[in-house]
Amino acid sequence: DVKVTQSSRYLVKRTGEKVFLECVQDMDHENMFWYRQDPGLGLRLIYFSYDVKMKEKGDIPEGYSVSREKKERFSLILESASTNQTSMYLCASSPLSRSSGGGYTFGSGTRLTVV
Amino acid sequence: GENVEQHPSTLSVQEGDSAVIKCTYSDSASNYFPWYKQELGKRPQLIIDIRSNVGEKKDQRIAVTLNKTAKHFSLHITETQPEDSAVYFCAASMYSGGGADGLTFGKGTHLIIQP
Repeated sequence: DVKVTQSSRYLVKRTGEKVFLECVQDMDHENMFWYRQDPGLGLRLIYFSYDVKMKEKGDIPEGYSVSREKKERFSLILESASTNQTSMYLCASSPLSRSSGGGYTFGSGTRLTVV
Repeated sequence: GENVEQHPSTLSVQEGDSAVIKCTYSDSASNYFPWYKQELGKRPQLIIDIRSNVGEKKDQRIAVTLNKTAKHFSLHITETQPEDSAVYFCAASMYSGGGADGLTFGKGTHLIIQP
């Protein structure tokens, strides 16, 4: 019953490549988020979106961009991958209203290695 | 922006004992405080959350307390079991009733249950 799906579990890319990480949710959630998770640093917010074609910068947006053309899909783009972007990337979604219950639902993550 | 501090980074307790993890936050406007559990190799999952109009919430062996004046909140796990071994993350955000609100996470606590 996977509800947030990230297209790749593991990726290896070369420095300078343009990288696309895809996330799809089937819960009709309005909000979608991209985090990166690094040991000792926890989860840090890169970008989020509360509606189609809307996006907001999180705490560490530099070197990243996002795209949300459809409600169920939120893509993270590394314009020119660098080794310091080697990390675990987690996508999450949540309903618009907290009163509807539940917090984030996370995807399984994409472990990206940039060489 | 919001800053969340979490302590300790590692906590080892004997099976059957209680565990307490503490977090502080900086933004007095934050009003939503969830806790996530991440088992090794798996995605973070929401285990309990609390809103600022409530001082304590319990769900079986887990409870969360919130002190808005001091800007800190804690996770309490009683009668710990081996399956409680995981990394626990606290988080905070300001929920305004609409739109996305990116959670700010603490750096995580690795809870180890000793047999």
